[in-house]
Amino acid sequence: DGGITQSPKYLFRKEGQNVTLSCEQNLNHDAMYWYRQDPGQGLRLIYYSQIVNDFQKGDIAEGYSVSREKKESFPLTVTSAQKNPTAFYLCASTLGSYGYTFGSGTRLTVV
Amino acid sequence: GIQVEQSPPDLILQEGANSTLRCNFSDSVNNLQWFHQNPWGQLINLFYIPSGTKQNGRLSATTVATERYSLLYISSSQTTDSGVYFCAVEHGDSNYQLIWGAGTKLIIKP
Repeated sequence: DGGITQSPKYLFRKEGQNVTLSCEQNLNHDAMYWYRQDPGQGLRLIYYSQIVNDFQKGDIAEGYSVSREKKESFPLTVTSAQKNPTAFYLCASTLGSYGYTFGSGTRLTVV
Repeated sequence: GIQVEQSPPDLILQEGANSTLRCNFSDSVNNLQWFHQNPWGQLINLFYIPSGTKQNGRLSATTVATERYSLLYISSSQTTDSGVYFCAVEHGDSNYQLIWGAGTKLIIKP
């Protein structure tokens, strides 16, 4: 079955540590997105990519980095510069304007 | 930028009841979508509805673009309908980026 796989489901980060969240899709979608969700809030866009080797900052890109070396993969690195990284992170892909498909998310906690 | 406001923020209903969720947006949009997030965090697209009315089983949605609002109707609620319902819009030359409302949290009691 086609879909988006995010891993890990739960991740714990120590102060000053970089961590990378994985997002893989087998839907052949061109566009991929990373969102952050805080408790009781909507989704905020971190980064997006419409084609391989190209990506753009979203509304809250500071402290995050991404790469898009393959169409199927769009990993997100949460760097030590992100001072409040505890949140639920969602990856999505889409083919055009509709057909948004989300992964099951990664819950990141700073310990 | 465009504002997306959803109401009510919370809604508690008995199983079998009907409900109406509202999404207001402050500017013209290219696209509007409704999503459901279950209690475990999984988001599912319900409707792609920039205008008009669509129905899918017990759910239906109506968008009146000229008046800048959309409504999501849930009939004969079931406990599995619980979760958060989000409205999200595309605006201007946004390259398919969505602007999200804060959601309506729906709890259906058995």
